[in-house]
Amino acid sequence: GENVEQHPSTLSVQEGDSAVIKCTYSDSASNYFPWYKQELGKRPQLIIDIRSNVGEKKDQRIAVTLNKTAKHFSLHITETQPEDSAVYFCAASESGFQKLVFGTGTRLLVSP
Amino acid sequence: NAGVTQTPKFQVLKTGQSMTLQCAQDMNHNSMYWYRQDPGMGLRLIYYSASEGTTDKGEVPNGYNVSRLNKREFSLRLESAAPSQTSVYFCASSEFTGDYGYTFGSGTRLTVV
Repeated sequence: GENVEQHPSTLSVQEGDSAVIKCTYSDSASNYFPWYKQELGKRPQLIIDIRSNVGEKKDQRIAVTLNKTAKHFSLHITETQPEDSAVYFCAASESGFQKLVFGTGTRLLVSP
Repeated sequence: NAGVTQTPKFQVLKTGQSMTLQCAQDMNHNSMYWYRQDPGMGLRLIYYSASEGTTDKGEVPNGYNVSRLNKREFSLRLESAAPSQTSVYFCASSEFTGDYGYTFGSGTRLTVV
């Protein structure tokens, strides 16, 4: 089955810096790659997603890139703010069905 | 506009006790899921239901059973709780076609002593 690896496990940046979180997946047939943000004690919430027919997608300060050949995708956050501090999860859908396999998460800390 | 509702929010069980976690969604989604979240291990799929009337095992199904009661409700049962089942449990739902994004419930923090 699908396996998703996520790095780094923790990331500390200064406010205003950029942050990049990387994920790799194993199933070349996976075609949907969402990113979720989870604040402390809260539920995961979808922040951006990308499908395999697109190489990049951007939404204000957040962007996701996908390299199907290398089987990796990344989350880019620019001009980070303290409220970006949270745990971020990447995920990939197993082929043929939207059953998501999640990475182990990245704890992002943005210091003022 | 409730989305996905989980009950209870917190529960403490003694080893060997049983309980059912309830989940209901009001978005007319076809698919529903149960995940557990443990520190450093992300979200792991326990069981899922692609559509009403079907259920399938996920990555970590041992010790759990599920029931898709109708399109709205998907329950998770622990028949004989063990300390290894101490975790945060999330229910989620999604459309089968079109938008693939999950909507998560607020979670159930379960402690087994």
